[in-house]
Amino acid sequence: DIQMTQSPSSVSASVGDRVTITCRASQGISSWLAWYQQKPGKAPKLLIYAASSLQSGVPSRFSGSGSGTDFTLTISSLQPEDFATYYCQQANSFPLTFGQGTRLEIK
Amino acid sequence: EVQLVESGGGLVQPGGSLRLSCAASGFTFSSYSMNWVRQAPGKGLEWVSYISSSSSTIYYADSVKGRFTISRDNAKNSLYLQMNSLRDEDTAVYYCARESMGRWFDPWGQGTLVTVSS
Repeated sequence: DIQMTQSPSSVSASVGDRVTITCRASQGISSWLAWYQQKPGKAPKLLIYAASSLQSGVPSRFSGSGSGTDFTLTISSLQPEDFATYYCQQANSFPLTFGQGTRLEIK
Repeated sequence: EVQLVESGGGLVQPGGSLRLSCAASGFTFSSYSMNWVRQAPGKGLEWVSYISSSSSTIYYADSVKGRFTISRDNAKNSLYLQMNSLRDEDTAVYYCARESMGRWFDPWGQGTLVTVSS
């Protein structure tokens, strides 16, 4: 199975800050990576697919990069609605696996 | 509007069974592969099972293999998860999710809570 490791597990930031979350795969997955945002009590929402493609309707302050084993999600200027938990997911092979999540908190 | 609505969750004793349903609307259900993903209370996301559009290909997580069965009825625009021999560690919110383009999930349903407890 492919293990996905996110860092950090949690991060505190302020509105307007630039934040980067990283995700590392235990083996190469090309660009088969997605990022999700989850708010408390809600279902996850797809933000980024194929490592760097922005899902329709997602603000352009979100961006993704990387390939192979190392990936990043960047939020260029944090907005109040961005405080949530973020998960990466590898889509290279079954079983599909998620990172453990990164909780983005207000400083 | 694309929509997925889960139902069938509830409280069940260890060793018991439960059948979850997911009603799809707003898209051609028979053209899409579907998945179940779960989230234990306060924990992260865990993929559970996958079924292709024609039901010809099915995968399970090792944690549920042999106990859970995924199925679909394209005529009824519905996805199912039959859960047998339930364990405490199966307690979670269960989401159905459509596979979108690649093996990523969009959209997700609102989830249904399954609690396994005596």
